[in-house]
Amino acid sequence: NAGVMQNPRHLVRRRGQEARLRCSPMKGHSHVYWYRQLPEEGLKFMVYLQKENIIDESGMPKERFSAEFPKEGPSILRIQQVVRGDSAAYFCASSPADSSGNTIYFGEGSWLTVV
Amino acid sequence: GDSVTQMEGPVTLSEEAFLTINCTYTATGYPSLFWYVQYPGEGLQLLLKATKADDKGSNKGFEATYRKETTSFHLEKGSVQVSDSAVYFCALSYGSSNTGKLIFGQGTTLQVKP
Repeated sequence: NAGVMQNPRHLVRRRGQEARLRCSPMKGHSHVYWYRQLPEEGLKFMVYLQKENIIDESGMPKERFSAEFPKEGPSILRIQQVVRGDSAAYFCASSPADSSGNTIYFGEGSWLTVV
Repeated sequence: GDSVTQMEGPVTLSEEAFLTINCTYTATGYPSLFWYVQYPGEGLQLLLKATKADDKGSNKGFEATYRKETTSFHLEKGSVQVSDSAVYFCALSYGSSNTGKLIFGQGTTLQVKP
């Protein structure tokens, strides 16, 4: 049973470009979460999605960031017009619909570097 | 609001030493508590968890007990190995009962020397 799959693992973008990060949840999981880890910090919640629905986006920056989890295919975190401060590790996590004890499983992360 | 505070790192120990990494939390209600471990260049792996007061989570020789009276969830291991070198994150769940919204501490780096 494959774990949470994220790609790309490493992405370099110039300022002003767009970054797209993809996440395929574990098999049987219908809930997806995105977290951001800035250098030397812990992870911060960004957004919680179920298929075709954004449930909670209270941690998403108001501009340039968006997320989706379509009926078919992976979840996408999209960052438009990237700036140096967007350089971070972005982690996706997933859980089944009935997540007893709130256990979620993380992918290996996508490291974004903005130059 | 809810928060998690971990002891500052790095923590440097010799192999077979006893490990304690302190974690305290502030929360309304009764969150679940977690320890995650992150090895260099990798994602977070769930190490252990506890869902209610006095529960003890354990895995791979690590233990932590959910102490409501002291709002703590300290991580312990009796004898560390070099392979335990990693960053350890304490976290709590918040929001409605069945979501994966977690609040993380800032992480504690553990370095174990042979």
